[in-house]
Amino acid sequence: QKEVEQNSGPLSVPEGAIASLNCTYSDRGSQSFFWYRQYSGKSPELIMFIYSNGDKEDGRFTAQLNKASQYVSLLIRDSQPSDSATYLCAVTNFNKFYFGSGTKLNVKP
Amino acid sequence: NAGVTQTPKFRILKIGQSMTLQCTQDMNHNYMYWYRQDPGMGLKLIYYSVGAGITDKGEVPNGYNVSRSTTEDFPLRLELAAPSQTSVYFCASSYSDRGSSPLHFGNGTRLTVT
Repeated sequence: QKEVEQNSGPLSVPEGAIASLNCTYSDRGSQSFFWYRQYSGKSPELIMFIYSNGDKEDGRFTAQLNKASQYVSLLIRDSQPSDSATYLCAVTNFNKFYFGSGTKLNVKP
Repeated sequence: NAGVTQTPKFRILKIGQSMTLQCTQDMNHNYMYWYRQDPGMGLKLIYYSVGAGITDKGEVPNGYNVSRSTTEDFPLRLELAAPSQTSVYFCASSYSDRGSSPLHFGNGTRLTVT
């Protein structure tokens, strides 16, 4: 069983702060790592992906990957109320995507 | 460009009934997937397909069947519906098995079995 673990939250941060979302995975053969955002009642939408150790930045979002520790994180800078959603971590092993249960983020105005 | 289209959006089934959830994509993606999402939970892989004529089981395949006769379509069949199959079902597709190819999701089908 490939496991992907996330803290379910909710994680509450004030508007303008940095939100830090974490994910650990059990399969050392995992190849790529994705962060999806899911608003209530909607389908997941891709935020960004990373497959090499280190940091990858895209606008206000930074993904961090540490394969030795089997850990991937997502930082959201200058958090906005519109960022309030559930964030799903996904890892791939060839053509299979495995998802964590998600972290609910609340950004308070 | 419609992307991944799922029908129906909502459905209520009685225990023991059967139904087919439809999924079609117009992006010429080889890889297609069915996930279910229970309230407050992540997505669990039911079945997936790497191309027309090829399907394989995911994490939770029991009670479901799939077929892939064309690149575009990947229907999910529920036989003898049970309350445990009450969930939101998402169909998704991706371009390849390369790690950088993300999943594109449909809008989901909310199924209630009573």
